[in-house]
Amino acid sequence: AQSVTQPDIHITVSEGASLELRCNYSYGATPYLFWYVQSPGQGLQLLLKYFSGDTLVQGIKGFEAEFKRSQSSFNLRKPSVHWSDAAEYFCAVTIKAAGNKLTFGGGTRVLVKP
Amino acid sequence: GAVVSQHPSRVICKSGTSVKIECRSLDFQATTMFWYRQFPKKSLMLMATSNEGSKATYEQGVEKDKFLINHASLTLSTLTVTSAHPEDSSFYICSAQGPTVMNTEAFFGQGTRLTVV
Repeated sequence: AQSVTQPDIHITVSEGASLELRCNYSYGATPYLFWYVQSPGQGLQLLLKYFSGDTLVQGIKGFEAEFKRSQSSFNLRKPSVHWSDAAEYFCAVTIKAAGNKLTFGGGTRVLVKP
Repeated sequence: GAVVSQHPSRVICKSGTSVKIECRSLDFQATTMFWYRQFPKKSLMLMATSNEGSKATYEQGVEKDKFLINHASLTLSTLTVTSAHPEDSSFYICSAQGPTVMNTEAFFGQGTRLTVV
């Protein structure tokens, strides 16, 4: 069955420190991969996406993610976290046959310490 | 990016009544819209996919008679929660995509917090 796993439910990081959020997927076909951020009580904002090409993808707000096919992973990184990065982060996957029907991971809540 | 507006952002209704949630694409034609439900501290669960002018496709376990979806135009889809009960209280989010299926992202609305009392 197709699935998306975000192993870390919570991550606490100090402001200015680096951040890495893990995402693993289980899909038979070539996946299309997304990272979204959700602030409390809000909808989702797309941080970045990967369809093909360069496996290192740059997104908004200083985020980047790397697609590693051999590890079925699409981890999100930011070199220096700001207090405003505190939010819930979701990895999502779809395949061409499913159109834009996204399967979401469970989410990772990021807390930023001053 | 494109804008998707969802209304209302919050609604409180009495048990047994119906509630309608609107999802509008403001600056593009949304051939497909998706409706998600999010439980507290949980991920998004896809409820249904609606294509303009045709019946919605519901995910397994979602009651189509309870969650009525209409996608009558290229800019508007509605979700009606009929005979709402407290267990229907949740955060509902829509997303919309344009006619070019891939290489376009699905744009999300701001969400609707439904509380049934």
